[in-house]
Amino acid sequence: DVKVTQSSRYLVKRTGEKVFLECVQDMDHENMFWYRQDPGLGLRLIYFSYDVKMKEKGDIPEGYSVSREKKERFSLILESASTNQTSMYLCASTRVDSPPEQYFGPGTRLTVT
Amino acid sequence: GESVGLHLPTLSVQEGDNSIINCAYSNSASDYFIWYKQESGKGPQFIIDIRSNMDKRQGQRVTVLLNKTVKHLSLQIAATQPGDSAVYFCAETQVAGNMLTFGGGTRLMVKP
Repeated sequence: DVKVTQSSRYLVKRTGEKVFLECVQDMDHENMFWYRQDPGLGLRLIYFSYDVKMKEKGDIPEGYSVSREKKERFSLILESASTNQTSMYLCASTRVDSPPEQYFGPGTRLTVT
Repeated sequence: GESVGLHLPTLSVQEGDNSIINCAYSNSASDYFIWYKQESGKGPQFIIDIRSNMDKRQGQRVTVLLNKTVKHLSLQIAATQPGDSAVYFCAETQVAGNMLTFGGGTRLMVKP
């Protein structure tokens, strides 16, 4: 089974702090994604990566950056957390040559106070 | 812009009844559709998919119907069980692009 893990289930951070969210997948997938999920807005794509050291902006990249130094790991960084970044963050991965259903991690619920 | 949407935010059904969750999409170029189930505190899980060259696809207790004429997608769950209680998302993509566009989600509540 594909397994996507996220470093934390719950995080509470203060405004202005730098926040790291880690995601690891164990199926050698090329593509990895970061989404945020908010009530009534569904899943919105922040960034994605299709290879090591490669990244592409999604629909809402402002206030975020990402890092992909190893194929299995994709990190989401909030340089200076703000209260409007309080949300559920979901990581996903998929193989480039397979049907495009994405495999999701359990999510990290981030609260910025 | 293109979007994927759901008609009903909440659906309440009696245990044992059939459930139908609907989704409208607007990107006529989409050729692959997926349904996800998200239980409380968990990430979305793949349920079933369908390509645009099909009208219907069946899985275990689930059926997805695609009506390209009206750009409508539905998920039917037979003999709904308490374990089916979750939020259900539809998603669309063009296979070549590998990017998914998600709908807002419908919460399914199963009454015992």
